[in-house]
Amino acid sequence: GEDVEQSLFLSVREGDSSVINCTYTDSSSTYLYWYKQEPGAGLQLLTYIFSNMDMKQDQRLTVLLNKKDKHLSLRIADTQTGDSAIYFCAENKGQGNLIFGKGTKLSVKP
Amino acid sequence: DTAVSQTPKYLVTQMGNDKSIKCEQNLGHDTMYWYKQDSKKFLKIMFSYNNKELIINETVPNRFSPKSPDKAHLNLHINSLELGDSAVYFCASSQDWGAGELFFGEGSRLTVL
Repeated sequence: GEDVEQSLFLSVREGDSSVINCTYTDSSSTYLYWYKQEPGAGLQLLTYIFSNMDMKQDQRLTVLLNKKDKHLSLRIADTQTGDSAIYFCAENKGQGNLIFGKGTKLSVKP
Repeated sequence: DTAVSQTPKYLVTQMGNDKSIKCEQNLGHDTMYWYKQDSKKFLKIMFSYNNKELIINETVPNRFSPKSPDKAHLNLHINSLELGDSAVYFCASSQDWGAGELFFGEGSRLTVL
């Protein structure tokens, strides 16, 4: 496909794990990113993964990369209400041109 | 100290008017960007500048003209505003033009009536 695809919504209960999925377009993308956007704010880089890695863990965040299927996922362990935000995956097309997915709105219920 | 700051935060104007949004970064980065986020939160690059030179110019109407007086500033001027220009415009910067770690401003919400 031409676009970076993500599901639009995810709702979880506080304390559960959240898994946000993304399918990207270009198998030659060197880096893949997860950005977080809180209401009324700009995007903030959460984490990234280099294309020769399968997994990256950073505290409560785990990124999994399946290059064959061009599939990227972000797992948030022990999800908190403060994690409620929109999460964007992005691939780097070079020259700083990031192609973003449409974002997944994560709602965390107490 | 705000790393990437843009003004104004909100802008309401009539169709046909000309308006500008200013952006400044104090991170010492070489590359700056303008992104447009529509009402469905879809985010798309418009322009990028590296050391005051235009690097990326996506399919954007000629009514949009970026200007970079120095590498810390990238302003966006929009002529003859149309209803479809209503969106949130984000300025961002990165250390250099190959970097994928972008630092975003808080956005400028433009509403065209």
